[in-house]
Amino acid sequence: QITLKESGPTLVKPTQTLTLTCTFSGFSLRTNGVGVGWIRQPPGKALEWLAFIYWNDDKRYSPSLKSRLTITKDTSKNQVVLTMTNMDPVDTATYYCAHRRYGDPFDYWGQGTLVTVSS
Amino acid sequence: EIVMTQSPATLSVSPGERATLSCRASQSVSNNLAWYQQKIGQAPRLLIYGASARSTGIPARFSGSGSGTEFTLTISSLQSEDFAVYYCQQYTEWHFTFGPGTKVDIK
Repeated sequence: QITLKESGPTLVKPTQTLTLTCTFSGFSLRTNGVGVGWIRQPPGKALEWLAFIYWNDDKRYSPSLKSRLTITKDTSKNQVVLTMTNMDPVDTATYYCAHRRYGDPFDYWGQGTLVTVSS
Repeated sequence: EIVMTQSPATLSVSPGERATLSCRASQSVSNNLAWYQQKIGQAPRLLIYGASARSTGIPARFSGSGSGTEFTLTISSLQSEDFAVYYCQQYTEWHFTFGPGTKVDIK
């Protein structure tokens, strides 16, 4: 059974760096074709894809946010970490991590974690 | 970057009626198109992948069609649990983008 869970701060100040961790089970990032992505959703708004990392450490970023994002993986801990620099109130959102296999969409999602950016 | 659009923004439907949702891509995504259902306070749930294949456990009343730039999600007979927001998403290997969503509410 595949499960994912996001963790991190619920409140960050403007200009700070956000670090979120996705801890998963039921699959391994050593397996060919497997990857984990991050998606966010501001309150009442649409989903926005942020970043994605493959089993082979290949990485993809949203073009509009690429300069602020870093995604890494710790295969031994079954974790994927997303950092976003220079946080702004417009970055207030629920942040989700999700599993996918090469050629498929995101099929398993975490429950999401709400991050509020406010001074 | 591929831009996804969805129409209508809101669809009011009576239970038992058919709902047809549209999704358009700014350039061809072949059949790399997925549909998700999201209810308030919940994570999105994958309904359709490959434009027309139902995900595990998804009822047969949900069907997807299309290829290239034009796609449709049809719910043949709306049940009470189907009132939600529906998003399309393209998933080419370079990046992934979601549409703005269609809210299906009770007429």
